[in-house]
Amino acid sequence: GAVVSQHPSRVICKSGTSVKIECRSLDFQATTMFWYRQFPKQSLMLMATSNEGSKATYEQGVEKDKFLINHASLTLSTLTVTSAHPEDSSFYICSAGVFTEAFFGQGTRLTVV
Amino acid sequence: GQQVMQIPQYQHVQEGEDFTTYCNSSTTLSNIQWYKQRPGGHPVFLIQLVKSGEVKKQKRLTFQFGEAKKNSSLHITATQTTDVGTYFCAGRLYNQGGKLIFGQGTELSVKP
Repeated sequence: GAVVSQHPSRVICKSGTSVKIECRSLDFQATTMFWYRQFPKQSLMLMATSNEGSKATYEQGVEKDKFLINHASLTLSTLTVTSAHPEDSSFYICSAGVFTEAFFGQGTRLTVV
Repeated sequence: GQQVMQIPQYQHVQEGEDFTTYCNSSTTLSNIQWYKQRPGGHPVFLIQLVKSGEVKKQKRLTFQFGEAKKNSSLHITATQTTDVGTYFCAGRLYNQGGKLIFGQGTELSVKP
């Protein structure tokens, strides 16, 4: 199946700094990508839909100024967690695939200290 | 908002026993997908069900989609230790593009 690569897999940052997470579709073009957040032993919560060439669509309750999404090309979407705080520590995962199965990246474990 | 409820949250079985997880949506779904996530890993696609009343089998796994396209189940016959992980259902709504609404997941542990 298609491959979605997410980087970095783990990141530790200081409180107040920003962290950028990349999600790339390696062998297909993805006009739409999705960003999820997953807390330990919980489900995947959709944060936003990333649309190539246009603004992301955020789910209710997700701060768009805090979680900046950029989808500048057909193979790359980025999520930037701005001014990170310890409560932002979580597992962030992206996916691509609209009409069939979703292909997930490996996920990024963010720890804010 | 739209919700997909999944039960049970945890299931502990003896190897060889059967296992079932159930999903129920508050609204009619366009289709439903099932994923498996191993500890520390990312969700891996298992199957997609589209038609009302659809039943699909993958070896020991049987997937069903309800007649009203609001509920679904995954049944594993004679579980093995390799079946360990969390199973998620994910529903697609009509006119919502590719957005998936995930159930809470069922964590399966298998005792050898």
